[in-house]
Amino acid sequence: DTAVSQTPKYLVTQMGNDKSIKCEQNLGHDTMYWYKQDSKKFLKIMFSYNNKELIINETVPNRFSPKSPDKAHLNLHINSLELGDSAVYFCASSPGTATDTQYFGPGTRLTVL
Amino acid sequence: DAKTTQPPSMDCAEGRAANLPCNHSTISGNEYVYWYRQIHSQGPQYIIHGLKNNETNEMASLIITEDRKSSTLILPHATLRDTAVYYCIVRGYNNNDMRFGAGTRLTVKP
Repeated sequence: DTAVSQTPKYLVTQMGNDKSIKCEQNLGHDTMYWYKQDSKKFLKIMFSYNNKELIINETVPNRFSPKSPDKAHLNLHINSLELGDSAVYFCASSPGTATDTQYFGPGTRLTVL
Repeated sequence: DAKTTQPPSMDCAEGRAANLPCNHSTISGNEYVYWYRQIHSQGPQYIIHGLKNNETNEMASLIITEDRKSSTLILPHATLRDTAVYYCIVRGYNNNDMRFGAGTRLTVKP
């Protein structure tokens, strides 16, 4: 009965490859997010989706693209992976927007070789 | 959103109260104070949030000063499992953007 789940937990890949990370929430929330935590442990928001509409898009490279097939899923696609993309990526969800509490998934550790 | 300032690290004895301070001197009237924590290799976990009044839940208490320029998270009886990085975040009512800083690394010692 995991609330926010991510797959895979670990992802090791070569530079230049394309990969996807999946996120699912069973909380019935309307908004989902992707965060990146770099080697210095700073968490930065990348995207959020509300009712299939992108409502935040930080200045991330366009190699990163969020895809939401339905409101319970928000997948992260990354094209042409670079060494600097190595990080832990967290998915989160919240009931709505504004000041609603966000609930985080366990994270996906991406290593680009 | 207002920025926050937290001490980089703190220690606490097991069973004692852990008091984690946060300064947010530029907070505006409609901004909430949120606390999250991140235990090693896990996703951030929501603890508590508040606007003006002090708040308490099963995990912690949040004390916000009258001028709202600072707050303190209190873990009443810290356990070893409370060892984590604690983040204080100030967030506007219409802002989904949770801006995490460096946080405070709390180490609970036996």
